[in-house]
Amino acid sequence: QVQLVESGGGVVQPGRSLRLSCAASGFTFSSYGMHWVRQAPGKGLEWVAVISYDGSNKYYADSVKGRFTISRDNSKNTLYLQMNSLRAEDTAVYYCAKDPRFLEWLFPAPGDYWGQGTLVTVSS
Amino acid sequence: EIVMTQSPATLSVSPGERATLSCRASQSVSSNLAWYQQKPGQAPRLLIYGASTRATGIPARFSGSGSGTEFTLTISSLQSEDFAVYYCQQYNNWLLTFGQGTRLEIK
Repeated sequence: QVQLVESGGGVVQPGRSLRLSCAASGFTFSSYGMHWVRQAPGKGLEWVAVISYDGSNKYYADSVKGRFTISRDNSKNTLYLQMNSLRAEDTAVYYCAKDPRFLEWLFPAPGDYWGQGTLVTVSS
Repeated sequence: EIVMTQSPATLSVSPGERATLSCRASQSVSSNLAWYQQKPGQAPRLLIYGASTRATGIPARFSGSGSGTEFTLTISSLQSEDFAVYYCQQYNNWLLTFGQGTRLEIK
């Protein structure tokens, strides 16, 4: 069965960096696009970024563009989110989610399977 | 950015009754609309995509309708496990956005 496990969260000071990972199993990781979505404590969902199945296409929310980088290593079945210049408002649970479409990338799609999330706290 | 607005913010319904949740887009998203359910401490679960297609394993009591800017999620006969927060999400362009959520609570 599809399994997504996020890791790398923790407490970090404003202005510092952190890299999140999402280990995937139970499906052919290299054939599916992947998303990052976050949720601030007690708040709603905010889409963060998406990457195509081969890593050649990436899109970002305006709130993280230029600071966050999504990437993937298909040989390790792992998705990443490099977060630089972190701010207090980046504090959230970060989820990775799988695109449902096999080897498709013409149009966006929602996430059909989600991990349980990893908490990032930006605080001095 | 397409702004998604959900109403009401909180909906109180008795078990066994019907619940109707609304989602409005600030511009047309065609049928590129998904609904998610989220329970406390859990990840969101995809319920509906393409505005009206149930995701794998989703019970038939969940149905979605609408296109363009107005969408509805209907739960025909509420079960105890359905009380949760529901989010809509548009994916009509590469700047995906969510609504702020509707909390469905037991009356």
